[in-house]
Amino acid sequence: DTEVTQTPKHLVMGMTNKKSLKCEQHMGHRAMYWYKQKAKKPPELMFVYSYEKLSINESVPSRFSPECPNSSLLNLHLHALQPEDSALYLCASSQARGLGQPQHFGDGTRLSIL
Amino acid sequence: GQQVMQIPQYQHVQEGEDFTTYCNSSTTLSNIQWYKQRPGGHPVFLIQLVKSGEVKKQKRLTFQFGEAKKNSSLHITATQTTDVGTYFCAGRTGTASKLTFGTGTRLQVTL
Repeated sequence: DTEVTQTPKHLVMGMTNKKSLKCEQHMGHRAMYWYKQKAKKPPELMFVYSYEKLSINESVPSRFSPECPNSSLLNLHLHALQPEDSALYLCASSQARGLGQPQHFGDGTRLSIL
Repeated sequence: GQQVMQIPQYQHVQEGEDFTTYCNSSTTLSNIQWYKQRPGGHPVFLIQLVKSGEVKKQKRLTFQFGEAKKNSSLHITATQTTDVGTYFCAGRTGTASKLTFGTGTRLQVTL
């Protein structure tokens, strides 16, 4: 069982669609993360939010737009994605950014771009 | 940028055999974490090492952080089929928020 909930679990979209991925945690964590993971590769950091403010953007294309409405929710808005964006998108949270707090991952959203 | 490499990329063992994965960073790390990802699953935190030369054990798993804080290892004694998955080390430099994952070692265990 995971304490970080991601929806939807699977998403198929065309290159002109707009969709959003959602992530929720109720552990009181104040840092939340988006990662992208391709098959047989490690997770790659995309964004870090700390206390609801964007603290790291790993030079992610603007077709990915993160949003943190409150301390429990993290969204990733998708627009005009490319086929190479097909991947597993993982959300994670931790008690605080930095200083080695363990990250708790959700099950991920498996995204396919047609 | 920081690079974290793991070897081997893949290992297939028979149940009961031992297994070790090695993690090497291009830069000195402030701490290192280990995660396990089962096939079709998500990474699950196993442990964190902070001190130079630190060794920690969890049942059959032994984790070590190198003296120079640039490498680490995970050793599993007497593997079981439940150990199947990909093991990632993940390192942090300074007080950075960013966790850089290693390339991972995929472990297959057969009876």
